[in-house]
Amino acid sequence: DTGVSQDPRHKITKRGQNVTFRCDPISEHNRLYWYRQTLGQGPEFLTYFQNEAQLEKSRLLSDRFSAERPKGSFSTLEIQRTEQGDSAMYLCASSLERGAFADTQYFGPGTRLTVL
Amino acid sequence: DAKTTQPTSMDCAEGRAANLPCNHSTISGNEYVYWYRQIHSQGPQYIIHGLKNNETNEMASLIITEDRKSSTLILPHATLRDTAVYYCIVSIKAAGNKLTFGGGTRVLVKP
Repeated sequence: DTGVSQDPRHKITKRGQNVTFRCDPISEHNRLYWYRQTLGQGPEFLTYFQNEAQLEKSRLLSDRFSAERPKGSFSTLEIQRTEQGDSAMYLCASSLERGAFADTQYFGPGTRLTVL
Repeated sequence: DAKTTQPTSMDCAEGRAANLPCNHSTISGNEYVYWYRQIHSQGPQYIIHGLKNNETNEMASLIITEDRKSSTLILPHATLRDTAVYYCIVSIKAAGNKLTFGGGTRVLVKP
C-alpha cells in the first residue's frame, strides 16, 4: 500500500500521560499536514511541514503539542500531559507541492486518541 | 480563507445521480474548490478539485459557476458505498493550501 499510514490506529491513555503518534506520508511527498477531528465536527488544521521545516502552527496547537519531521519523511506528533479534551481523531495528510499547481492532500486513516 | 455553505444533509436513491451544492460567495481568484468525503471513522478521501473550469474524473464531476460563487459536485450513479459526509472546501495555495473543513453534507444513499 502506497498511501499515507499512521500508527497507532487507536490509543487509550490516562490523563497526564504523554503520547506520540507517527505518520508516514506518500513517498516523495514534500508536504505533510496534521489535523484534529473531534466527534461530529470536520477536521481542523494543526500544523504543516514542507520537507523538514514546520511552516505554520494553528492556535489550536498548545504548548503541550509538538510536531517534528526530522528528515523530511515521516513525522511525529507528541502530546504531553494529556487532558480529556485532547480526545479526538488525529489525521495526517501529505501532498506534493509543485510550484504553481494546486497540490492535493491525501489523508491517512487517523489515530483515535481516548484520554481517560 | 473563504467559507463555504452546504446543506446539512440530503438523501438520494441508489443508481441515481447525486447533486451536492456548495456556496462560496466570497471566494477569491486564486482559491481552488476542493471536495472530500469522509466515510464513518475513516480519513477524508479526496474526490476532485477545480479552479474555474468544470472537471471530471472517475469518481465525480465538478461544476463551477462562471462567477465562481458556487459549485456542484455530481456523483453520476450513487451507490450505497457513497454514503458519507461530503466536504466542500476552498483553499489558497499561497497560504500553504491548508484545508478548512466546515460541517459538510451528510449524504445517505438509499436502496
